[in-house]
Amino acid sequence: GEDVEQSLFLSVREGDSSVINCTYTDSSSTYLYWYKQEPGAGLQLLTYIFSNMDMKQDQRLTVLLNKKDKHLSLRIADTQTGDSAIYFCAERGWEADKLIFGTGTRLQVFP
Amino acid sequence: GAVVSQHPSWVICKSGTSVKIECRSLDFQATTMFWYRQFPKQSLMLMATSNEGSKATYEQGVEKDKFLINHASLTLSTLTVTSAHPEDSSFYICSARVLAGEGEQFFGPGTRLTVL
Repeated sequence: GEDVEQSLFLSVREGDSSVINCTYTDSSSTYLYWYKQEPGAGLQLLTYIFSNMDMKQDQRLTVLLNKKDKHLSLRIADTQTGDSAIYFCAERGWEADKLIFGTGTRLQVFP
Repeated sequence: GAVVSQHPSWVICKSGTSVKIECRSLDFQATTMFWYRQFPKQSLMLMATSNEGSKATYEQGVEKDKFLINHASLTLSTLTVTSAHPEDSSFYICSARVLAGEGEQFFGPGTRLTVL
């Protein structure tokens, strides 16, 4: 079945860039998403990329997709303390209209 | 726009009782709603997909008689946890989507269920 993996934890200094990585197994993925979850809250869609793209930039966020290696990354430039949260990648395949979520990466930003 | 609400935001109940959680799309009509479960420090696991006016489709391993889902209107879906037990304690999150098969899912804020 589909499997989406992320590193569990990332700690960065305020002002530095953060890079959160994600690997997936479903080669038929159509869309790949990045969500942010703050403590005790639901998920907020940050950005997404279609599978025929290899990069997408949206203000401080840059998504890179290596479809050959099934590797997705999210780069947050000039990371701020308000970026501290759990970040989930998710993929969506052709045949199912459901999202498969990664394990989540907890980003901690320190001053 | 595209706001999804859940009620209640948290609930504590005794073992053996049933709990109903509501998921509402406030400013759009949702043809499809999804229910997820999230254990502490873990990812979201899809429980079921519900389309308005039809029976929900449950993921493998999810007991449909225990987790009753009703999607009676385009703006409301409910999840009822029947005969709740402590192992049902979790964070339940719903999401709603406008178009069948396409479109972004908008997530609710979640409901924390604690079963004593």
